[in-house]
Order: sequence, then structure tokens, then C-alpha cells
Amino acid sequence: GAGVSQSPRYKVAKRGQDVALRCDPISGHVSLFWYQQALGQGPEFLTYFQNEAQLDKSGLPSDRFFAERPEGSVSTLKIQRTQQEDSAVYLCASRPDRFSTDTQYFGPGTRLTVL
Amino acid sequence: RKEVEQDPGPFNVPEGATVAFNCTYSNSASQSFFWYRQDCRKEPKLLMSVYSSGNEDGRFTAQLNRASQYISLLIRDSKLSDSATYLCVIPGFQKLVFGTGTRLLVSP
Repeated sequence: GAGVSQSPRYKVAKRGQDVALRCDPISGHVSLFWYQQALGQGPEFLTYFQNEAQLDKSGLPSDRFFAERPEGSVSTLKIQRTQQEDSAVYLCASRPDRFSTDTQYFGPGTRLTVL
Repeated sequence: RKEVEQDPGPFNVPEGATVAFNCTYSNSASQSFFWYRQDCRKEPKLLMSVYSSGNEDGRFTAQLNRASQYISLLIRDSKLSDSATYLCVIPGFQKLVFGTGTRLLVSP
């Protein structure tokens, strides 16, 4: 079946521009996560949704980062006034939440480069 | 101390070799652990789950040492296709905590 999809796959932004990254989770998956992966590092947690509710946004690095999932399916991560340090791969993951041992399924990521 | 620590490598091994990676974690309350594999410019994919002392799947063996708070991944008879970054992952509260990853390069 279809996996997690993300768009765009690549985004180049000039410093100061706003960007919006989209995530389409696996159909029916309850939980959705955003991670940021800098070059040579492991992914780092940004935020978590259960259906449309954003239950944890402790990983968002600044108030320039905003995420939403208004209908409990597609999610958008928005970064305002991008800075060079925002350059990274942004990974979205979803989880079905049928069982306690369910794990997360990752999308291919959006590679953001801020010039 | 970081929650999850790994040797970043790279580990360069010939085909057919046995290689092991270690990962240490700081939260002694952690009950389950994962190894994810990430190919270059691809997303992480679950390789193995570890819920008790260890797990074995073909050429891959994961072992858990709770007393010393480390997890290991052993790969036997390495294949060229095993070249990737191996991420040690600890489930946090509703999130995954990743190590930096260990890069493995298997050469002919």
C-alpha cells in the first residue's frame, strides 16, 4: 500500500523566506510526527499529533516553526523567516496506534536548503 | 550526557566479515529499543526491535545489556547491500530518540 509521502522533496529558500512542507501520512494512521535531521546527525523530534490535536511541540526550535494537522490527516510544517541553520531534512512519520508495539513509518523527507 | 550515544564510524569491512556496533543509553527506565537502517538520502526504516535480552533475524542479532545500559547490533557475513547508516533508537514518550548513527561501508 501507499506509504508516507512528503512534498516537496527538495526546497531551496532564500534566507528570510517562509516555507511550507507537506506530509501525507498512511491512511488511517492516528499519530503523526515531524523530525529534523541535520547532516551527519540522527533525526531529532520536533512535534507530535494525535489526530488533529498537537500534543507535543517541545522539539520545535523556535517560534518561527509552526505545525498543523487540521483534519487529522495531512499535516503542514511551516517555517517563517528561514535561517541558514534551518537547512536540514525534515522527516514526517505516522503510526497506526492499533497496538502498543506499533512503530513509526517514515516518509522520504523534504530536503530544505536555505541560502 | 546524550540520551543515546553511538560511534559514528565509518566502519569499513570486507564482504563476509562480522561487524558489531554498540549504542549506550542514559534512561535506565527504557524498556524497548530499535535499530533503524538509513540508506544515503533515504528515510530511516525499522531493522529490528528489542524488547527483552535480544533478538535475532537471519544475519542480524541485537543484544541488550540493561545493567550496562547498552545495545549492540551484530551483522554476520556482511553483504555489499548492508552498507548504510545504522541508527540506535530509544522510544521516548510518544516520540523516538535517535542516536547519531553508525556508518557501515562493506567493500568487495
